[in-house]
Amino acid sequence: GQSLEQPSEVTAVEGAIVQINCTYQTSGFYGLSWYQQHDGGAPTFLSYNALDGLEETGRFSSFLSRSDSYGYLLLQELQMKDSASYFCAVRSGAGSYQLTFGKGTKLSVIP
Amino acid sequence: GAVVSQHPSWVICKSGTSVKIECRSLDFQATTMFWYRQFPKQSLMLMATSNEGSKATYEQGVEKDKFLINHASLTLSTLTVTSAHPEDSSFYICSAKLAGGLNEQFFGPGTRLTVL
Repeated sequence: GQSLEQPSEVTAVEGAIVQINCTYQTSGFYGLSWYQQHDGGAPTFLSYNALDGLEETGRFSSFLSRSDSYGYLLLQELQMKDSASYFCAVRSGAGSYQLTFGKGTKLSVIP
Repeated sequence: GAVVSQHPSWVICKSGTSVKIECRSLDFQATTMFWYRQFPKQSLMLMATSNEGSKATYEQGVEKDKFLINHASLTLSTLTVTSAHPEDSSFYICSAKLAGGLNEQFFGPGTRLTVL
């Protein structure tokens, strides 16, 4: 089966840095994605890691360690608009682009 | 970026009726579309994978006769919830993958279904 674990809630101060961890157990692994979802909205793609290491995109970075079945999303210079739910998702098939999502981490940014 | 639309954005129906939800890729061709269901404060659960011109592949536990999926063209997939019941009330979201594209799925804005 597939399982992904991430914290259910995180609170951080505006301007700070926050890290959201994700550990996974899947039958097959081809990459780890991160999505952001505001309340009532659609998920939007943030990043994708297929190989070990850090990927940086502006204020957001994502890290993957395949040997540890672990990844994280790092958000820097937090802004109030970053308050949202963040989901990690695993792509577990080579030919299939299906994603299995974690339960999400609700990030609250406070002044 | 690639845009995916869904229609309707919300729908309220009586128990026992059927509801059709459309998912369109507006500026790209999508050979594969995905249908998810999301209950309040929960994760997205994949219901089925829809491939243009072929039958959809349903996830375990999803009734294919209840959730009818049709992917008639490279830009349109539809999900029909047949004989809807209150427990089917949920947020239904589709996503599409660019043909030959990277590993990114583009999500529609979702459809909020409420069954009375």
